[in-house]
Amino acid sequence: QSALTQPPSVSGAPGQRVTISCTGSSSNIGAGFDVHWYQQLPGTAPKLLIYTNNYRPSGVPDRFSGSKSGTSASLAITGLQAEDEADYYCQAYDSSLSGSMFGGGTKLTVL
Amino acid sequence: QVQLVESGGGVVQPGRSLRLSCAASGFTFNTYALHWVRQAPGKGLEWVAVLSYDGSIEYYADSVKGRFTISRDNSKNTLFLQMNSLTVEDTAVYYCARRASSSSTPSQVFGCFDPWGQGTLVSVSS
Repeated sequence: QSALTQPPSVSGAPGQRVTISCTGSSSNIGAGFDVHWYQQLPGTAPKLLIYTNNYRPSGVPDRFSGSKSGTSASLAITGLQAEDEADYYCQAYDSSLSGSMFGGGTKLTVL
Repeated sequence: QVQLVESGGGVVQPGRSLRLSCAASGFTFNTYALHWVRQAPGKGLEWVAVLSYDGSIEYYADSVKGRFTISRDNSKNTLFLQMNSLTVEDTAVYYCARRASSSSTPSQVFGCFDPWGQGTLVSVSS
């Protein structure tokens, strides 16, 4: 199982705010390694959404934001829209694995 | 524009081998580390392997170590993944992904991934 733990699912109504957590350990997030977030729309490849904890690539709406504290990170989405319905993954380097790793993914449903 | 295009997937029997390719364009290929990431049907993302820009440094997930080999041909802007001793657990869509930032030293292989290819499906079945 993933050493980065995400809730399997979250949901919210249009216009609402939702958050997705990513809980790690002392060998990844807690060790100071950066957290990145990806959005995967149905049937498509993942897309970088947030990098280095809280930076947005150009073209990503400012409705998406990231934060990190201790051994955890969070992705927040405000002003929820139907097009935000997707799977979201956190990712970080893990020193005990000498490799990168992903959270198990969170399915966002827009009610 | 920056593009990664995977190929080589297909149906293969357990125990056999397969070689995936990832053709890159739109960027200076020999300055970026490249990764393979896979996704089993209906499952999450799993990081597989990474190779430095010059091919000198490689890392693998424990699940594929000793069976898979990542390589690259910088003269052809192509990344490869040689997969041996395949099992049903290797069934997945395989994505190649570029380290988002170029590297100034070979040890700079990790970070975030951007962009990703469209993926190629590997199905291991008897």
